[in-house]
Amino acid sequence: RKEVEQDPGPFNVPEGATVAFNCTYSNSASQSFFWYRQDCRKEPKLLMSVYSSGNEDGRFTAQLNRASQYISLLIRDSKLSDSATYLCVVISNQFYFGTGTSLTVIP
Amino acid sequence: DTGVSQNPRHKITKRGQNVTFRCDPISEHNRLYWYRQTLGQGPEFLTYFQNEAQLEKSRLLSDRFSAERPKGSFSTLEIQRTEQGDSAMYLCASSSGTLTNYGYTFGSGTRLTVV
Repeated sequence: RKEVEQDPGPFNVPEGATVAFNCTYSNSASQSFFWYRQDCRKEPKLLMSVYSSGNEDGRFTAQLNRASQYISLLIRDSKLSDSATYLCVVISNQFYFGTGTSLTVIP
Repeated sequence: DTGVSQNPRHKITKRGQNVTFRCDPISEHNRLYWYRQTLGQGPEFLTYFQNEAQLEKSRLLSDRFSAERPKGSFSTLEIQRTEQGDSAMYLCASSSGTLTNYGYTFGSGTRLTVV
């Protein structure tokens, strides 16, 4: 079983839409969680950390559900520039990446 | 310091040749990681260094792969007798502090194509 499972999408949404991605993890002892963004043929870049209490950064909201072992990312009021692949990352003894969810925001 | 630097950006090599990639981490970061990413997949862990010590290696790192960080600063990743299956993006990342508190900073990667 993979450490991290993520729906690869693709998600194609119109500008202004709200979109949510989920990621499940297998190790209940996992310590920390992040969302990364990766543009085509570029390196992943840290988008935000995910805290137990949930956290928000502008249009982005990240949440953690330890009981069900999943994390989520919500993007409100999607912009064209949000088009990218979003990778969830779970840390137990090292970083484990999901396969990434592809998002395309359509004009 | 402009971040994590990787060289070369692209490498095309013939099957069977050896290749070496270099990573220069952010100067104050004591941890350095190598990942490999193929199309449609997330990055897969290869190995990690704390200072000059190689503390962990993935089973993905076959005996054709070797990584070094001789002075605890830059690192090299060498692939011997390359195979077509080695074609991938090789990403280096560095961090300081504990993994639980800080995310990685990735370099731009070295894209390897084995023909």
